[in-house]
Amino acid sequence: AQSVSQHNHHVILSEAASLELGCNYSYGGTVNLFWYVQYPGQHLQLLLKYFSGDPLVKGIKGFEAEFIKSKFSFNLRKPSVQWSDTAEYFCAVNWVNDYKLSFGAGTTVTVRA
Amino acid sequence: GAGVSQSPSNKVTEKGKDVELRCDPISGHTALYWYRQSLGQGLEFLIYFQGNSAPDKSGLPSDRFSAERTGGSVSTLTIQRTQQEDSAVYLCASSLGQRSGQYFGPGTRLTVT
Repeated sequence: AQSVSQHNHHVILSEAASLELGCNYSYGGTVNLFWYVQYPGQHLQLLLKYFSGDPLVKGIKGFEAEFIKSKFSFNLRKPSVQWSDTAEYFCAVNWVNDYKLSFGAGTTVTVRA
Repeated sequence: GAGVSQSPSNKVTEKGKDVELRCDPISGHTALYWYRQSLGQGLEFLIYFQGNSAPDKSGLPSDRFSAERTGGSVSTLTIQRTQQEDSAVYLCASSLGQRSGQYFGPGTRLTVT
């Protein structure tokens, strides 16, 4: 079965630190890749997406992600986090010709002021 | 513009009762999805509708679950004879297509007592 895995369950860091969250997916052909964020008490919001072209994609709020096809990975990065980045982050994948998203288990990020 | 809306925001029901959850997608979005989010299972796909095509029901956990989409817009997810394991947040999302990213509503928190 196709699956998505996120490496970290909970990450704690200080403001201004750099953030990198790992995401890997199982092989199954061409994929579309997404990162979503869920702030406390809010609904899921799309951070960024990758379909094709430049493997380095930039999203909202200063986030970026890099698609490495050979590693089946799509890691999320932010050079300098803020307290307001405290949230849960989900990696999601859909395989071409399939609309539904498969989600990773999520990573809770806590940023200490 | 208006996002995806869902009602009710919270629903408490007794085991064995039927419940209906409603979703209003973003206007013009042809695809509509239902997911559920629970502590033990993470984010799980349930069903999606794309235009006039037959829905993909592959994620529905049992025949107690059903959904319909009327007029290509509003959707209702029905759970019959609810069980305690049905307790979760039920999320609706919509999209323009496979590559446009899915936009989520705030969810309906269902508690079965």
